[in-house]
This record gives sequence, C-alpha cells and structure tokens, in this order.
Amino acid sequence: NAGVMQNPRHLVRRRGQEARLRCSPMKGHSHVYWYRQLPEEGLKFMVYLQKENIIDESGMPKERFSAEFPKEGPSILRIQQVVRGDSAAYFCASSLGLGTNEKLFFGSGTQLSVL
Amino acid sequence: KQEVTQIPAALSVPEGENLVLNCSFTDSAIYNLQWFRQDPGKGLTSLLLIQSSQREQTSGRLNASLDKSSGRSTLYIAASQPGDSATYLCAVITGANSKLTFGKGITLSVRP
Repeated sequence: NAGVMQNPRHLVRRRGQEARLRCSPMKGHSHVYWYRQLPEEGLKFMVYLQKENIIDESGMPKERFSAEFPKEGPSILRIQQVVRGDSAAYFCASSLGLGTNEKLFFGSGTQLSVL
Repeated sequence: KQEVTQIPAALSVPEGENLVLNCSFTDSAIYNLQWFRQDPGKGLTSLLLIQSSQREQTSGRLNASLDKSSGRSTLYIAASQPGDSATYLCAVITGANSKLTFGKGITLSVRP
C-alpha cells in the first residue's frame, strides 16, 4: 500500500511561470491537506479538500493560488505567475476523514524553486 | 490565534543520553497534540498523538506528555541513538477541520 505520493520532488520555475504540484493520497483516503514550509518557518496550513470539494481554504493566498481534488486523479495545487517568495517545500497529507483524532499521513513534499 | 513554540531550535547530545524536547501552545482548547519527525528531504512521520483527554502516550523509547491547562507538551527520548537525529515537530489541532498548527521544530543531532 503506497503512501502519499507527491510529484515532482523538485520543481524549478522562472518568475511568471505556472507551477503545478500533484498529490496522490493513500489508497482509500478521500481527504487531502496542503501545507507550505518556507525557509526557517514552520509548516503552515493552506487548504483542505475532499473529493470535488474545497472544505477550508483559509490558509491559501487569495491570488495566484488554487487547489482542486477531482473525482478521479490526484489533487493539484496550482500557482500562477510564480514569484521568488513562492519558493518553499509544499507538503500534502491525506486521511480517511474519520475525525480530529485521526493521524494524517504526509508525502515527501515538492521543493519549488523560483528563479 | 493558536501559536506553537518549540525551544531551543537545535540540540546536540551524545549518544545514550535521555532527553526532553519541549513544546508550548497558546490556546488550550485543542483536540489533540501530535509529535512528528522530519528527516532532511523527506516528509513527516507521525510519532505520537495525544488526545485532549489524555495525559501521555508511549511508543518504544518515546514518551509524550500533555498538560493542556498550562499549554505544554514534552517528548521524552530514552537512550538516544544517532538514528534519532532529525527535526522533531510539535503540532496541535484546535478546529474541527483537523488543521494542524505546527511549531518550527527542534533539530536534534545525536553524536556517536
């Protein structure tokens, strides 16, 4: 049973380009969370999704960032017109959605570097 | 707004030492507290989860305690080994959506 899979592991973009980060949750998991880890900072919550629904996007910047979790396929975090400040490690976590005392399983992250 | 603090940011100890990692949080209305391990270039591995009604959890050489009223948790590592070298993150859940609020972590180095 594969864990949470994120790809690519490393992504390099020039300023103004688009970045697409993918997350395949653990088998059977229908809840996905995205977190961002900036250099010298802790992980910060971005968005919480269930299949075809955004449940909580309170941590996501209002502009340039979007996320989806379609009925089929991985969850996608999309960053348009990237800037240097978007350089960070982006982690995805998944769960069954059983409640607040369920452990989350994290992927290995995507390291985004904006030149 | 919940804030989680972990001090110090880094710690170096000789192999075999018992050690305590500290975590504090500002809002005691939490659902649970979790300790994670992060290795360089890797994701997070959940070590222990303490529910708000619990005082401690144990797994092997690890023991985590929770004092919700004072907003503190400790992770105790017994007989530390070089393989324990990693960053240890403390996180709490304060909302129904299971959003984790993380501390910045403590980078532990265990010297052979």
